[in-house]
Amino acid sequence: AQSVSQHNHHVILSEAASLELGCNYSYGGTVNLFWYVQYPGQHLQLLLKYFSGDPLVKGIKGFEAEFIQSKFSFNLRKPSVQWSDTAEYFCAVIISGSARQLTFGSGTQLTVLP
Amino acid sequence: DAGITQSPRYKITETGRQVTLMCHQTWSHSYMFWYRQDLGHGLRLIYYSAAADITDKGEVPDGYVVSRSKTENFPLTLESATRSQTSVYFCASRTGTGSSDTQYFGPGTRLTVL
Repeated sequence: AQSVSQHNHHVILSEAASLELGCNYSYGGTVNLFWYVQYPGQHLQLLLKYFSGDPLVKGIKGFEAEFIQSKFSFNLRKPSVQWSDTAEYFCAVIISGSARQLTFGSGTQLTVLP
Repeated sequence: DAGITQSPRYKITETGRQVTLMCHQTWSHSYMFWYRQDLGHGLRLIYYSAAADITDKGEVPDGYVVSRSKTENFPLTLESATRSQTSVYFCASRTGTGSSDTQYFGPGTRLTVL
């Protein structure tokens, strides 16, 4: 079965620092990749997604992610974080051709210090 | 535009009781999903439904029952609640095909089983 790994469980940064959250998946076929964000007490919201084409995907709120197929990775980046980015971030994958349910990573809690 | 609503938002129950969590979507999306969110596990799929009267198991279905008599509703029942079912439950629905394929999540139900 496919799996998604997020190796950073908790990241603490100061405002204006750059962010990179790791995401690796374990499936050799075609995948669709997603990053979701969950602000404290709220539901999951889609940050960005990759289906095909340009492997550098830009999402909302200044986030971007790069799909590197050879590394089975889809890391999330932001050049300068803000206090309001404090949230939990989830990477997820859909295997193409399946029933298209999402498989999630365990999440990364980001704390941005003012 | 209400999107996805879940009720109740918070529930405390006792071991052995039956509990039903409600999920309602206003978009008429074909696919609906139930996930549970636990610390260190991210979100795990419990059940999903491809259409009214069509349901299938996800990763962690034991102890849960679902039904879908109408497209807009997808209730999740814990037939005899156990403490291990204490969790936050998210309902989701899916729209689109191809690159517009996106899952939207409800606000969640926090369930505590004593």
